[in-house]
Amino acid sequence: QKEVEQNSGPLSVPEGAIASLNCTYSDRGSQSFFWYRQYSGKSPELIMFIYSNGDKEDGRFTAQLNKASQYVSLLIRDSQPSDSATYLCAVSRRGSTLGRLYFGRGTQLTVWP
Amino acid sequence: NAGVTQTPKFRILKIGQSMTLQCTQDMNHNYMYWYRQDPGMGLKLIYYSVGAGITDKGEVPNGYNVSRSTTEDFPLRLELAAPSQTSVYFCASSYGDNEQFFGPGTRLTVL
Repeated sequence: QKEVEQNSGPLSVPEGAIASLNCTYSDRGSQSFFWYRQYSGKSPELIMFIYSNGDKEDGRFTAQLNKASQYVSLLIRDSQPSDSATYLCAVSRRGSTLGRLYFGRGTQLTVWP
Repeated sequence: NAGVTQTPKFRILKIGQSMTLQCTQDMNHNYMYWYRQDPGMGLKLIYYSVGAGITDKGEVPNGYNVSRSTTEDFPLRLELAAPSQTSVYFCASSYGDNEQFFGPGTRLTVL
């Protein structure tokens, strides 16, 4: 079983729609959860992080965490063509060396005008 | 601040050659990391360091070596290049377990 799993996509949504990206993780001891955006040919950049169960909102982005279901998601409201990128879910495990992240394979999102 | 810088941006190696990928950060971060990313895949941790003089293996360390003599620099050494090491290599840094900042990457091809 992989540590962190994401639907590889591609996910395609029209401009203005809500894009929903999902991630599951295998280790119940996981404590920190990150969403990175990676444009083609570029390096990953952090867009959201969440530590506690529930929702966390930042502008058009909402991260949702459900530790009981071992599930974390990212919602992008009012999707824009500039949101077209690969979104990487990353998880930090309790007890592991601080800072170590385990990445999923990423979900490719395309927002068409 | 330049953030995290990596050199070279691109490199083609022949099988069996050696090279060093350079990484420097100017944010005074104590933690530094090397990842590789194969096409369509996520990032795999090669080595990491929690401070000068301290390094440890990640998920895929075979074929690589690192050193950390200063806070700023974290070079990655490939001793005997193999085609399986064709990948994009990212260096990252963080202050403790906070946000990791990534460099622009080095695209390595081994032929």
